[in-house]
Amino acid sequence: EPEVTQTPSHQVTQMGQEVILRCVPISNHLYFYWYRQILGQKVEFLVSFYNNEISEKSEIFDDQFSVERPDGSNFTLKIRSTKLEDSAMYFCASSLEAGPYEQYFGPGTRLTVT
Amino acid sequence: KNEVEQSPQNLTAQEGEFITINCSYSVGISALHWLQQHPGGGIVSLFMLSSGKKKHGRLIATINIQEKHSSLHITASHPRDSAVYICADLRREGAGSYQLTFGKGTKLSVIP
Repeated sequence: EPEVTQTPSHQVTQMGQEVILRCVPISNHLYFYWYRQILGQKVEFLVSFYNNEISEKSEIFDDQFSVERPDGSNFTLKIRSTKLEDSAMYFCASSLEAGPYEQYFGPGTRLTVT
Repeated sequence: KNEVEQSPQNLTAQEGEFITINCSYSVGISALHWLQQHPGGGIVSLFMLSSGKKKHGRLIATINIQEKHSSLHITASHPRDSAVYICADLRREGAGSYQLTFGKGTKLSVIP
């Protein structure tokens, strides 16, 4: 069964460094998302991406964050200058189309900022 | 602002028990997701429903759109069902994209 994959599974970085989290959505899906879950808290929406542009972003998704689909398969989340409070689990998800379609989640990347 | 509330926050059950987890939301939605989060952190989609009832194995999800309420039931619970169960509503923000708003989750522990 097709699945969303994410790399790396765990990333440790120092405060101020740039990180890139990678996702490979399900191949025929057109809508992509990033979510964040700080330890012990609920999952929060960061951004949605469709047709090579951001469709929606939350208040969390400030200028430090960017997303890109550099080729036909990868979908990346970049944090330019990490802060301690960026430590969280980051989930990528994809859905078939734009609309009320089921979202399929990747296994997540645990980001630890020291 | 849309809020998604789940109850209970924590639930301990004996193996074989029938389990119910409840979810309420405050604003009209397009659909509701029930998700399972394993101890390692990964999230698996169990159901997406916009009306009525869906069943998959021992899992049953129901939704009442008028009452803005959904339930997830697990029949004949088993220790392997131990996980955090999260409901998330899917709605469109104006002309923007569809977004999921998550509840805090219900931590289920099933004891042999």
